[in-house]
Amino acid sequence: GQQVMQIPQYQHVQEGEDFTTYCNSSTTLSNIQWYKQRPGGHPVFLIQLVKSGEVKKQKRLTFQFGEAKKNSSLHITATQTTDVGTYFCAGTGGGNKLTFGTGTQLKVEL
Amino acid sequence: DGGITQSPKYLFRKEGQNVTLSCEQNLNHDAMYWYRQDPGQGLRLIYYSQIVNDFQKGDIAEGYSVSREKKESFPLTVTSAQKNPTAFYLCASSPHGTPDNSPLHFGNGTRLTVT
Repeated sequence: GQQVMQIPQYQHVQEGEDFTTYCNSSTTLSNIQWYKQRPGGHPVFLIQLVKSGEVKKQKRLTFQFGEAKKNSSLHITATQTTDVGTYFCAGTGGGNKLTFGTGTQLKVEL
Repeated sequence: DGGITQSPKYLFRKEGQNVTLSCEQNLNHDAMYWYRQDPGQGLRLIYYSQIVNDFQKGDIAEGYSVSREKKESFPLTVTSAQKNPTAFYLCASSPHGTPDNSPLHFGNGTRLTVT
């Protein structure tokens, strides 16, 4: 079945450093969504990418969808303590099934 | 405010007992979902419903049951057949189901502990 893996599983950074999480699918995706879950909270939708090679930006966050539509990345520039949380990708593959990645937990230290 | 309400936030049960988790939405969304979250495993789909009186099994449906008698409500029952029921359960909804794959709106979750 469809599998979506994310790396790294954990990342500790100093405030002001950059952060990137990578999402890799075993199958070609029609679209990919990104969610953020704060500690003790629930996932909140951030963005959806649909086109091959698409790049979208939200302030300090940059999202990319690979040319082959099998991978994606989220890059945060100059992290802040408010960026703390777990970031999930979720891809739609065969059968229009949405599969969540394993998540990357980000900790930001002052 | 529109949203998804899950209750209770914390739930404790003895092994062998069935327990029902509540999920209500006032977003007028057609599709509703139940996910289970365990540390390091992301979110796994238990059941989903794209329309009233219809629902489908997700990836880990064994030991769970659902109903969708009203558009607003999608309760999940964790039965005694579920081997490892202790987990964080998240209910979600979206305006439409597949193939639209519109973004999911999540409730605050119910943390179930079975001893």
